[in-house]
Amino acid sequence: EAGVAQSPRYKIIEKRQSVAFWCNPISGHATLYWYQQILGQGPKLLIQFQNNGVVDDSQLPKDRFSAERLKGVDSTLKIQPAKLEDSAVYLCASSTSSDRRGGETQYFGPGTRLLVL
Amino acid sequence: SQQGEEDPQALSIQEGENATMNCSYKTSINNLQWYRQNSGRGLVHLILIRSNEREKHSGRLRVTLDTSKKSSSLLITASRAADTASYFCATDHNNAGNMLTFGGGTRLMVKP
Repeated sequence: EAGVAQSPRYKIIEKRQSVAFWCNPISGHATLYWYQQILGQGPKLLIQFQNNGVVDDSQLPKDRFSAERLKGVDSTLKIQPAKLEDSAVYLCASSTSSDRRGGETQYFGPGTRLLVL
Repeated sequence: SQQGEEDPQALSIQEGENATMNCSYKTSINNLQWYRQNSGRGLVHLILIRSNEREKHSGRLRVTLDTSKKSSSLLITASRAADTASYFCATDHNNAGNMLTFGGGTRLMVKP
């Protein structure tokens, strides 16, 4: 089975520029997650989708970050404008569903490493 | 903010030795999972333990959970050089579905 795909793998931009990341989850997975992982820290959830609806985006800086999953499959995460502190690895993950009891295994993509200069 | 705190932050051992990593969390959980991250890669799920369980095994992995102390430990027995990675605990909470809160991780180095 193909894993979670992400592109690009690396991106270098200057502050105030915009950038977009793409994620293709495992086929059939209803739930998709975007995480931000700053160097030396654990991943922090930015947004969770169930099909094409947002389950939680409480930690997404909505003044500059946006995400969509229009057809309930692929997703894009955008940053506009980028700041220096946005330098991080952006991880996409998917799971089969989002049961209220939790406990679903999340499958992660390789991530996009962003450097903002 | 991150829910879990791993201890130690870094651990270096010889191949064949056991490695123990600890995780503490702050609020009540439904489940606790451990993930591994190799350098420059995504995370891989290792094992899940539910709040009503105290211990689980999977191959060379042993996980314990003490909900009264809000802590968990991951033991890797007979470590191998290929176990070199960062290990993260992740928790999900009552009625929060599958939203995971990760700790800061333990960086394990296993020397051949």
